[in-house]
Amino acid sequence: DTAVSQTPKYLVTQMGNDKSIKCEQNLGHDTMYWYKQDSKKFLKIMFSYNNKELIINETVPNRFSPKSPDKAHLNLHINSLELGDSAVYFCASSSAESGHTFGSGTRLTVV
Amino acid sequence: GDSVTQMEGPVTLSEEAFLTINCTYTATGYPSLFWYVQYPGEGLQLLLKATKADDKGSNKGFEATYRKETTSFHLEKGSVQVSDSAVYFCALSLYNFNKFYFGSGTKLNVKP
Repeated sequence: DTAVSQTPKYLVTQMGNDKSIKCEQNLGHDTMYWYKQDSKKFLKIMFSYNNKELIINETVPNRFSPKSPDKAHLNLHINSLELGDSAVYFCASSSAESGHTFGSGTRLTVV
Repeated sequence: GDSVTQMEGPVTLSEEAFLTINCTYTATGYPSLFWYVQYPGEGLQLLLKATKADDKGSNKGFEATYRKETTSFHLEKGSVQVSDSAVYFCALSLYNFNKFYFGSGTKLNVKP
């Protein structure tokens, strides 16, 4: 059973398109995150949700919109994709007793 | 502000060599400290953690000791293997895990 699963694993799309990445966790964690990892492996937090409420919203373009329909899901919708959005996006969850548990990542390539 | 600084890579070692990856932190409160490992093409996995000063985290032959006096959490392994080749991230959390900070990652290459 995958603890944090995100889909799709790979996403290739053209500039200007709108796309979504889905994330689900079955760990019962209260907090979920989206991170962006660039080509140099630097991890940058984008959003954090705790019990469906947004608690961290770092400086990202408003083309990125997270949605948390329930505690176990945190989806990321991206409008008007740009070349610079190409990266690996990681979903993660955490609880008070543990550190982060990460999904396996979604490699987004904008062409 | 709160942050984590770790040594730049890549670090290249021969198999069975001793490994140290330095990590220092700045924190306003009392953080928990973590090391994560990312193998090629995969997500990050928790390697070890320590939640208070002088705690030692260990896993798979890796160790790190929480040193409050030097604000450090250096990762060590006595004898690395080719399979340890990966990117290693130091991280800290504050305020019941609502604040989480990652270092920039250190790539380790182990040659046979």
